[in-house]
Amino acid sequence: EDQVTQSPEALRLQEGESSSLNCSYTVSGLRGLFWYRQDPGKGPEFLFTLYSAGEEKEKERLKATLTKKESFLHITAPKPEDSATYLCAVLGSNYQLIWGAGTKLIIKP
Amino acid sequence: NAGVTQTPKFRVLKTGQSMTLLCAQDMNHEYMYWYRQDPGMGLRLIHYSVGEGTTAKGEVPDGYNVSRLKKQNFLLGLESAAPSQTSVYFCASSYSRAEVHSNQPQHFGDGTRLSIL
Repeated sequence: EDQVTQSPEALRLQEGESSSLNCSYTVSGLRGLFWYRQDPGKGPEFLFTLYSAGEEKEKERLKATLTKKESFLHITAPKPEDSATYLCAVLGSNYQLIWGAGTKLIIKP
Repeated sequence: NAGVTQTPKFRVLKTGQSMTLLCAQDMNHEYMYWYRQDPGMGLRLIHYSVGEGTTAKGEVPDGYNVSRLKKQNFLLGLESAAPSQTSVYFCASSYSRAEVHSNQPQHFGDGTRLSIL
């Protein structure tokens, strides 16, 4: 069964303290892995798409990487405005998106 | 640009009541989706549409119906609301279903928070 697990559920960091969020997946025929950001009371906002193991994408302080079993969202020197819930979703061979439950990131000034 | 607009933003219903959630997109997207988001769980697909006049069931379709009479609108109906349908409902749209080919992600509205008493 296709499955996506995100860890940790919540992460509290001090401003400037770098860390990584994890998205582990089990899917037949990976067609893409997506990272979204969701602010409180808002809908998810697209960040990255990764297609194959070894691929990396960057945007400001965020960098997403992909292996055959998991993806990491690295956040470098985060700022309070990076606080949000980060969602991971995987597209398998049946073209159904499977979503993780998300990691709530809190950056304290 | 408005993007994806959902109405209403909040609603409280009594068990057994019916209602329709409205979703409108102005990006000329073919594909539209309805999700529900519950605490501790990932987004779950209720129904989706690959174009005007067509709909299909997602992962959790029971208790919901949908219609797509116009390309820009996708309606989600609850015929007889139940407490288990208390959730936040998100509408999304995308250029194509196979996002890998088009590299066009799903665009989301800001949700409808629905409570069933």
